[in-house]
Amino acid sequence: KAGVTQTPRYLIKTRGQQVTLSCSPISGHRSVSWYQQTPGQGLQFLFEYFSETQRNKGNFPGRFSGRQFSNSRSEMNVSTLELGDSALYLCASSLQGEAFFGQGTRLTVV
Amino acid sequence: AQKITQTQPGMFVQEKEAVTLDCTYDTSDPSYGLFWYKQPSSGEMIFLIYQGSYDQQNATEGRYSLNFQKARKSANLVISASQLGDSAMYFCAIEKAEAAGNKLTFGGGTRVLVKP
Repeated sequence: KAGVTQTPRYLIKTRGQQVTLSCSPISGHRSVSWYQQTPGQGLQFLFEYFSETQRNKGNFPGRFSGRQFSNSRSEMNVSTLELGDSALYLCASSLQGEAFFGQGTRLTVV
Repeated sequence: AQKITQTQPGMFVQEKEAVTLDCTYDTSDPSYGLFWYKQPSSGEMIFLIYQGSYDQQNATEGRYSLNFQKARKSANLVISASQLGDSAMYFCAIEKAEAAGNKLTFGGGTRVLVKP
């Protein structure tokens, strides 16, 4: 059974640009959550999607958005990138119980 | 609101010895779940063990066991017979029971380095 797949693995963007990250959950998992990991703030919950609807949201500005498709794949978008958005972005899928994480997308904003 | 505190930023352990990683938590939810994850340098978070707040027995998974003391709000992870591959960051996390793995609050992590 394939695990959670995140693409791309690495990304370099310039301040002011926008970026889209992709997450394919484990087959059959309908919930997808996104987390941001930085050295200063640690791991922080961004949002969670279930059946194409945002069900939970963390405390992040509106520049951070996401969506989920009918096949449960999810995308996360960050607009008007700032240097502080440089982080490892982790996606997790769950059915009922523990969350399974992907390897993350490391975003560097220069 | 929920909060996880991991007071050990880093620790060394000798190969084949046991190590205990501390985790204390604070939550107003009557029913919750506690998780431990391992994050090697590759970045992926690997699920290790889960403890439900109403579980009567401490959870165990192979070399991992959880020392759950509900009254003290602590959920320490014990890794027995440490291996070199155990060198990684370890995170404790909590969420409401009904969240079912969807909205975790993490602690700051503990870096473990296993010495040969």
